[in-house]
Amino acid sequence: DTGVSQDPRHKITKRGQNVTFRCDPISEHNRLYWYRQTLGQGPEFLTYFQNEAQLEKSRLLSDRFSAERPKGSFSTLEIQRTEQGDSAMYLCASSFPGLATGELFFGEGSRLTVL
Amino acid sequence: KNEVEQSPQNLTAQEGEFITINCSYSVGISALHWLQQHPGGGIVSLFMLSSGKKKHGRLIATINIQEKHSSLHITASHPRDSAVYICAVRLGGGADGLTFGKGTHLIIQP
Repeated sequence: DTGVSQDPRHKITKRGQNVTFRCDPISEHNRLYWYRQTLGQGPEFLTYFQNEAQLEKSRLLSDRFSAERPKGSFSTLEIQRTEQGDSAMYLCASSFPGLATGELFFGEGSRLTVL
Repeated sequence: KNEVEQSPQNLTAQEGEFITINCSYSVGISALHWLQQHPGGGIVSLFMLSSGKKKHGRLIATINIQEKHSSLHITASHPRDSAVYICAVRLGGGADGLTFGKGTHLIIQP
């Protein structure tokens, strides 16, 4: 399977713990996005990488959130000192630049439940 | 107020009906996406538009830049079309992250 893969698919954690999610984009895609989706809502943009550079960060990305893409391939999203409000589906997407080919490819998401 | 508004929020129709889902946005954009999300979370990109109209199978997407409005049409709807359809815009001015609508929950009954 050469699509976008995310790991883990589900994570249950206690409040205050740290969690890390991984996203492996489609190999030739140099753009990678993280989104968060809560129940009944559309996804919300968190951050975006072009290669290893983090080019945009949403105001939603508090100090407890950090994302990296060290070698311009896979990316990690870490949430420190989790809170119950962090419970959501975390979605990763990748794309290749250019208006004509800027279609987004999404992973299946990582569902976080904070108890 | 959300910058991207979709209507209707929920739509139930009979198999075979022609379906229209609307998306209005309030800011300048460089592109608009229509996405399909099935239960369990998986999102599939249906269309990316910056002008005019695109067609893929039974799906048609149109956009009117002047009126800041887009529509997604499904012809000869089928129960397997049941999903949440999400409109998302890429804002102009160099921003690249998408701004999403809340989605339209479509149910097609046999």
